[in-house]
Amino acid sequence: NAGVTQTPKFQVLKTGQSMTLQCAQDMNHEYMSWYRQDPGMGLRLIHYSVGAGITDQGEVPNGYNVSRSTTEDFPLRLLSAAPSQTSVYFCASSLGGSFYNEQFFGPGTRLTVL
Amino acid sequence: GENVEQHPSTLSVQEGDSAVIKCTYSDSASNYFPWYKQELGKRPQLIIDIRSNVGEKKDQRIAVTLNKTAKHFSLHITETQPEDSAVYFCAAKRNNDMRFGAGTRLTVKP
Repeated sequence: NAGVTQTPKFQVLKTGQSMTLQCAQDMNHEYMSWYRQDPGMGLRLIHYSVGAGITDQGEVPNGYNVSRSTTEDFPLRLLSAAPSQTSVYFCASSLGGSFYNEQFFGPGTRLTVL
Repeated sequence: GENVEQHPSTLSVQEGDSAVIKCTYSDSASNYFPWYKQELGKRPQLIIDIRSNVGEKKDQRIAVTLNKTAKHFSLHITETQPEDSAVYFCAAKRNNDMRFGAGTRLTVKP
């Protein structure tokens, strides 16, 4: 199993540009989520999904969109990038969100917005 | 929403000593408390977790304790080794919402 994969690993955007961060898992996990990690602030939940077709907002959803058309994929879209969105983004998955299941993280995407 | 506070932000110990990291949470409905280790440039990885109906859990040199009444939980690492050096994050989960502490940078000096 590849586990949780993310692309790209690095990305530089200009203010106002849009892009999609890709996330995929091959473990048949129902629950997938996106976090951003900023220095001194730990990880903050952006959006999550408990299954195909179901998404919900986390702690810091503004400026981001998600969709979940398949169990495997959970892309994160930045609609109009801002310097405040410079961060490291992690995707994670687990068997079920409401249960005590280990979350597996992807390798991360380092995004810089100029 | 849930608020998780983690202390200390940095911790330096000598090899072989013990290290303790403490977290408090605000939402009494949180029922799952994992701890993650993150090495520089790597992804977070689960090292131990505890459910709200358990007071203590141990796995070799690592243990976690939970006090639901006081709403705090702690990570204990005994006989620390240089490879324990990393950033450690606590988290508290309610339903589908996981909130993380700000992290503790642990340095184990040989």
